[in-house]
Amino acid sequence: AQSVTQLGSHVSVSEGALVLLRCNYSSSVPPYLFWYVQYPNQGLQLLLKYTSAATLVKGINGFEAEFKKSETSFHLTKPSAHMSDAAEYFCAVSEGITSYDKVIFGPGTSLSVIP
Amino acid sequence: GAVVSQHPSWVICKSGTSVKIECRSLDFQATTMFWYRQFPKQSLMLMATSNEGSKATYEQGVEKDKFLINHASLTLSTLTVTSAHPEDSSFYICSARNAASDTQYFGPGTRLTVL
Repeated sequence: AQSVTQLGSHVSVSEGALVLLRCNYSSSVPPYLFWYVQYPNQGLQLLLKYTSAATLVKGINGFEAEFKKSETSFHLTKPSAHMSDAAEYFCAVSEGITSYDKVIFGPGTSLSVIP
Repeated sequence: GAVVSQHPSWVICKSGTSVKIECRSLDFQATTMFWYRQFPKQSLMLMATSNEGSKATYEQGVEKDKFLINHASLTLSTLTVTSAHPEDSSFYICSARNAASDTQYFGPGTRLTVL
């Protein structure tokens, strides 16, 4: 069964600094991988998804993530943090036939951006 | 863009009563919808997969008689929390899959408080 771990439940970065949010997964088959962002009291917004087309995936708001099979990782990065990036970030995995069959979410990482 | 709505966004009820939450896909047909539960500061836990015209598939540990799911049309799924208790208080989030674009859209969530 697939699972997702996110190292660091809380990450703080300075405005303008690199954002790195870690995600590792376990899966018995080539997975679909996702990063979602959640602002307070709101639903989830898809940042990006990996579907095996390319290992480096570019998403919205300047975020990107790299799929590394050897490390079973899918870390999320952004070169320069903005105050508006402060939110909860969830990594997720799906092993389904289609990319949205039974998506399993990681525990989440809360990102704080310090002015 | 595609939008998924939930109603109500916030509900308070007395212990023992039932509460119905609606999830609607506003501009696409969704043969599959998903219901998640999120406790404060925690990740989303998949409760069930709702397929239009058929019975929902519940995840292990989720009581199907307590959390009734109906997906009677291609744009509407409902979750009814029956005989609610304080421990059912949570943030309930639905999502709908747009098969044509292979994209999953999340609703804004419904916060349920059971007194």
